[in-house]
Amino acid sequence: EAGVAQSPRYKIIEKRQSVAFWCNPISGHATLYWYQQILGQGPKLLIQFQNNGVVDDSQLPKDRFSAERLKGVDSTLKIQPAKLEDSAVYLCASSPTLTDNHNEQFFGPGTRLTVL
Amino acid sequence: GNSVTQMEGPVTLSEEAFLTINCTYTATGYPSLFWYVQYPGEGLQLLLKATKADDKGSNKGFEATYRKETTSFHLEKGSVQVSDSAVYFCALMGNAGKSTFGDGTTLTVKP
Repeated sequence: EAGVAQSPRYKIIEKRQSVAFWCNPISGHATLYWYQQILGQGPKLLIQFQNNGVVDDSQLPKDRFSAERLKGVDSTLKIQPAKLEDSAVYLCASSPTLTDNHNEQFFGPGTRLTVL
Repeated sequence: GNSVTQMEGPVTLSEEAFLTINCTYTATGYPSLFWYVQYPGEGLQLLLKATKADDKGSNKGFEATYRKETTSFHLEKGSVQVSDSAVYFCALMGNAGKSTFGDGTTLTVKP
């Protein structure tokens, strides 16, 4: 079974530029998560989708971050414009369903973003 | 809101030593609890989980027991190996699949 795919793996941009990350979850997984992991910290949830609907985006800085999951499969996360403090690893994870809270999350390799 | 607190690291042990990494949580309702591990150069992966009070999760010689009375889920292993060197994250999943992670504990095992 293929795992969660993310691209690009690394990205370096200057502040005020825009950037987009892509995630392809495990086939059939209804729930998709985007996390921000700053060096030395644990993953912080940015947004959670169930199929193509948003379940939780309470910690997403909506003035600069946006995410979508068209057709309930792939997802993109965008930052526009980027700030220095956005430097982090952006993780995508998927899980089979939201109907209970027992399911583990399957993580992609992450995208390491450096904002100069 | 929900929160997870892990013991601060890093932790350095000699091979075959006993390991404990403390984890406590705050949550409403009845969350599931997880330990994830990140080996050097790899992504996060599930180590073990427990879905209700008094459940014990175990895998690869690691164990953790869901203690509702102390809101804890401490990770233990009786004899660590060099290959256990990694970053360990305690996490919970609450209502509607909302997940919260601790800040991670880095374990280094020396031969």
